[in-house]
Amino acid sequence: AQSVTQLDSQVPVFEEAPVELRCNYSSSVSVYLFWYVQYPNQGLQLLLKYLSGSTLVESINGFEAEFNKSQTSFHLRKPSVHISDTAEYFCAVSERNYGQNFVFGPGTRLSVLP
Amino acid sequence: DAGVTQSPTHLIKTRGQQVTLRCSPKSGHDTVSWYQQALGQGPQFIFQYYEEEERQRGNFPDRFSGHQFPNYSSELNVNALLLGDSALYLCASSWGTGQGSNEQFFGPGTRLTVL
Repeated sequence: AQSVTQLDSQVPVFEEAPVELRCNYSSSVSVYLFWYVQYPNQGLQLLLKYLSGSTLVESINGFEAEFNKSQTSFHLRKPSVHISDTAEYFCAVSERNYGQNFVFGPGTRLSVLP
Repeated sequence: DAGVTQSPTHLIKTRGQQVTLRCSPKSGHDTVSWYQQALGQGPQFIFQYYEEEERQRGNFPDRFSGHQFPNYSSELNVNALLLGDSALYLCASSWGTGQGSNEQFFGPGTRLTVL
């Protein structure tokens, strides 16, 4: 069975400051890793994903995440946040070759302050 | 492309009642998954439908059932509603099954309140 831990339930940061949202997972098999973002009263949107290859993946809006197999982590980072980045961020895993049963973490609420 | 659509947007029911939620997948997608997102928590997998059959199921009781139609749309039914069933129910669609790499596209959800 898989599990996902997001240690920080809330992360307040000032605009233009860097941010890191932490994600650790547990699984007995190889997994794919995802970050989804949820804006208020909306569904989830894929931010970025790690499938294979380079361990550093980037999104189009400046976020990046690095897969660390030894630490079973997939932390999300952004060097300079904007007010519009305020949202709930969810880390998720799915087992390779076993369909799309995504296991989500509890989420981290990022609040960007002016 | 309308993306994933869900109806209704909001729903209020009383304990013991039954509810049906509906989902239309993104164009070109044939797999539908349902998730329950309680307030302040991450989504939890309920089940997945592909080729009109339930392919995977999470840790939810039999009160939760579903259906997929030939046009790939799907319904989620919940019988004998409990207060604890109050949540945002999310539908996600994707292409194919058996590949955990396929991105799931989520709908806006149906907010169910059980009184």
